Amino acid sequence: SQQGEEDPQALSIQEGENATMNCSYKTSINNLQWYRQNSGRGLVHLILIRSNEREKHSGRLRVTLDTSKKSSSLLITASRAADTASYFCARGETSGSRLTFGEGTQLTVNP
Amino acid sequence: EAGVAQSPRYKIIEKRQSVAFWCNPISGHATLYWYQQILGQGPKLLIQFQNNGVVDDSQLPKDRFSAERLKGVDSTLKIQPAKLEDSAVYLCASSFWQKETQYFGPGTRLLVL
Repeated sequence: SQQGEEDPQALSIQEGENATMNCSYKTSINNLQWYRQNSGRGLVHLILIRSNEREKHSGRLRVTLDTSKKSSSLLITASRAADTASYFCARGETSGSRLTFGEGTQLTVNP
Repeated sequence: EAGVAQSPRYKIIEKRQSVAFWCNPISGHATLYWYQQILGQGPKLLIQFQNNGVVDDSQLPKDRFSAERLKGVDSTLKIQPAKLEDSAVYLCASSFWQKETQYFGPGTRLLVL
């Protein structure tokens, strides 16, 4: 895919477990963002990491970025049933430009 | 703070008909985006506006899709004539000028029969 890839495509875990999603891309980026989409809803911004950063945290979320490998990962710790959603990585090639989204990871957290 | 508003939420039309979607961005957001999201895929940008000017429409199928943002606030996306493959969710998003985070509306789900 020209947009890059996310894996896994689907992930099913139990409440309390950690969930890790990965994103790879092919071109240079200014920033990489992660969004969540609940079924039938719009996307909600979760976290942004810039190309000169390696790791960021926000609550139960941890994002890493390896620009040499052109990859990023999103870790959700102590997952909850309410975390069930699709998660998309999106890369911004310049500040304020379009976002190019991956295909998404469908996360299911079982109570 | 009010979010991005879109209407209608759902639309069913027959192929070759025309359809229009409306978006009202968050107040003060100069940049507005329209994305197309086909089932099972990530959103794909169709067009980006900066105030009322087009910044990026490289992925907009201009033979059938058009969009405008008169007065730099509300925007309308039109499809004429629609094809079966246009069945998708059309998402509108907005952001402050030169800011990376985009805020999305709930989307309009279009089904073309």
